[in-house]
Amino acid sequence: GESVGLHLPTLSVQEGDNSIINCAYSNSASDYFIWYKQESGKGPQFIIDIRSNMDKRQGQRVTVLLNKTVKHLSLQIAATQPGDSAVYFCAETYYGGATNKLIFGTGTLLAVQP
Amino acid sequence: DAGITQSPRHKVTETGTPVTLRCHQTENHRYMYWYRQDPGHGLRLIHYSYGVKDTDKGEVSDGYSVSRSKTEDFLLTLESATSSQTSVYFCAISEPMRDRDVGYTFGSGTRLTVV
Repeated sequence: GESVGLHLPTLSVQEGDNSIINCAYSNSASDYFIWYKQESGKGPQFIIDIRSNMDKRQGQRVTVLLNKTVKHLSLQIAATQPGDSAVYFCAETYYGGATNKLIFGTGTLLAVQP
Repeated sequence: DAGITQSPRHKVTETGTPVTLRCHQTENHRYMYWYRQDPGHGLRLIHYSYGVKDTDKGEVSDGYSVSRSKTEDFLLTLESATSSQTSVYFCAISEPMRDRDVGYTFGSGTRLTVV
């Protein structure tokens, strides 16, 4: 069947390099943002999140940067590995809202070359 | 994913037939969601539930209905399937984010083909 990765922006990197995946979010009222990783044939998996009172948050090998002025998020992956190959989505919502609804971006395909 | 199960995993159905997809959770989470995923569109919200018998429409709800008669089950029904509903459907669960900084947990998806 057709892969979700088709028609997506693609970032191709060499193994060991750092990757930067960008996302523009739509709603200036959003105050909570999440990055998800989706491998082929699987559901999205949580990577890292950030609230709007922060501009940077670090996890294991991943860093999320938030620029509220231009409504921009980025996900940095250090020392990219073949297992990082996947589609990455950003999502936005209003923290503490009544329904937790997330709005997803269209995704970026990360292809790691050995 | 542990705690959330979608069934069936794959289904092929004919245009005009009704189809029901099931999402079952064992996490006792309050919120449940149905998304569809299509190439170039990311994940789009179909319907969601914020409690038993409490449901609301998402951005692409036309042609779909849902029911939640108990906490653990959220059913998505295509009343009369059309080819435009060929997609991968994901169920997700979450707790109110004011309690903790955790987003959704997604199921493994149901690939539906309408012929």
